[in-house]
Amino acid sequence: AQKVTQAQTEISVVEKEDVTLDCVYETRDTTYYLFWYKQPPSGELVFLIRRNSFDEQNEISGRYSWNFQKSTSSFNFTITASQVVDSAVYFCALSEPISASKIIFGSGTRLSIRP
Amino acid sequence: EAGVAQSPRYKIIEKRQSVAFWCNPISGHATLYWYQQILGQGPKLLIQFQNNGVVDDSQLPKDRFSAERLKGVDSTLKIQPAKLEDSAVYLCASSPTGYTNEQFFGPGTRLTVL
Repeated sequence: AQKVTQAQTEISVVEKEDVTLDCVYETRDTTYYLFWYKQPPSGELVFLIRRNSFDEQNEISGRYSWNFQKSTSSFNFTITASQVVDSAVYFCALSEPISASKIIFGSGTRLSIRP
Repeated sequence: EAGVAQSPRYKIIEKRQSVAFWCNPISGHATLYWYQQILGQGPKLLIQFQNNGVVDDSQLPKDRFSAERLKGVDSTLKIQPAKLEDSAVYLCASSPTGYTNEQFFGPGTRLTVL
C-alpha cells in the first residue's frame, strides 16, 4: 500500500532561519511521482513541485530546494532564509503509477515563521 | 486564466440535512477531482472524473455521497443525509489530463454539520 509520512506536525522558526520539512513515503511501484503542495491560511492548495521516480536530481527554485533520496524513500523540502509569508501547511504527496493520477497526501506540516 | 471555482465557500447544516457543492474546473481540463480534507489531515480523494466518466470512486461513501459531472465540465457533489463526521473542507481540483499532471485546486467549501 502507498503511504506518505510527515512526522513533523508543527515547526516554528524565526524569520531568516533555514528550515527542512521531512517526507518519507512507501510504495511498491517502481514508477511514481512525488509532490509538495503549500496550503496558506486562505485554504487553497498551491502546487510547488513534482518529481518523478526516475529523476533523483535535487532541485532548487529560489529559496526552495528539494532533496529526493530513493535509497531512504525520502523527499525533503528546505526553505532557505525563511520569511513570514512562508507560514502555511505543507503537504507531501505520492501518486500511483503513471497510468493513473490518484494522489495520496501526507498529514501535513504546519510551518510558522515568527518575525 | 481563471482558476477552479467552487461554491459556496461556507455551509452550515444540521445532521440529516442535505447539501450540495458546485465546482467549475479550469477551461479545457479533462480531469476533475473531489477531495475531503478533515481538520488536521491531508486531502483524501473522494472521486475522480475523466470528462464525464468516473475513473475512481473507491473512497466515496456511496450510501450518502453522490457526484456527477454532466457534459464533462462542471460538477456537483451531494451529501444526503449529512453526518457530524462529514464536517470538513471539500476541495475540487482539475488537471489537463489524468496522467499525474499538476492538479489545480479551488478554494474549497468548508462544511460544518451540527
